[in-house]
Amino acid sequence: AQKVTQAQTEISVVEKEDVTLDCVYETRDTTYYLFWYKQPPSGELVFLIRRNSFDEQNEISGRYSWNFQKSTSSFNFTITASQVVDSAVYFCALSSNDYKLSFGAGTTVTVRA
Amino acid sequence: DVKVTQSSRYLVKRTGEKVFLECVQDMDHENMFWYRQDPGLGLRLIYFSYDVKMKEKGDIPEGYSVSREKKERFSLILESASTNQTSMYLCASSLPMGSGHVNNEQFFGPGTRLTVL
Repeated sequence: AQKVTQAQTEISVVEKEDVTLDCVYETRDTTYYLFWYKQPPSGELVFLIRRNSFDEQNEISGRYSWNFQKSTSSFNFTITASQVVDSAVYFCALSSNDYKLSFGAGTTVTVRA
Repeated sequence: DVKVTQSSRYLVKRTGEKVFLECVQDMDHENMFWYRQDPGLGLRLIYFSYDVKMKEKGDIPEGYSVSREKKERFSLILESASTNQTSMYLCASSLPMGSGHVNNEQFFGPGTRLTVL
């Protein structure tokens, strides 16, 4: 069985602060894929990143960065210098060699001006 | 740009009514999915379809059925709506699994917030 845990339900920060969202996963598969999605108030999930289990390189995309550590089964997401537009619900998800995405419960990020 | 559209953003129905939620994608994707989203539970897969007229149960199929008569359209049906089906329903589509270990991202629609009274 696969499981994704996002222990933080809500995070509130002031603009320009950094925010780190935790994601811990469980799977018995050796090949799997990890995802982060953003859900702004409009409701539509927006794909942010996909990482496969063989690639532990960290990734940076603008103000976003991801830290993948197989040893701790974690795939954490950091927003640097947060902005009001970053306010959203963020989901971590896991998929093995099939179609199914297992989602975490989501973390609501509120960035205050 | 991939576009996934859902027939309604908000829907209010009464207990016992038959409800149809429609989803259309314009990128010729083989796979289509229906999820429901509830606070504290994330997204849970109801059904998915990997081809026309093909369907597979997801994690929570009870109380739902689906129809896929055309590649671009995937319908979710609540045969007899109940109050515990009040939720946000999200449709998604993706390309099929490729060779080796290719796993393609899912593109989501804006969601339908269904209230069953």
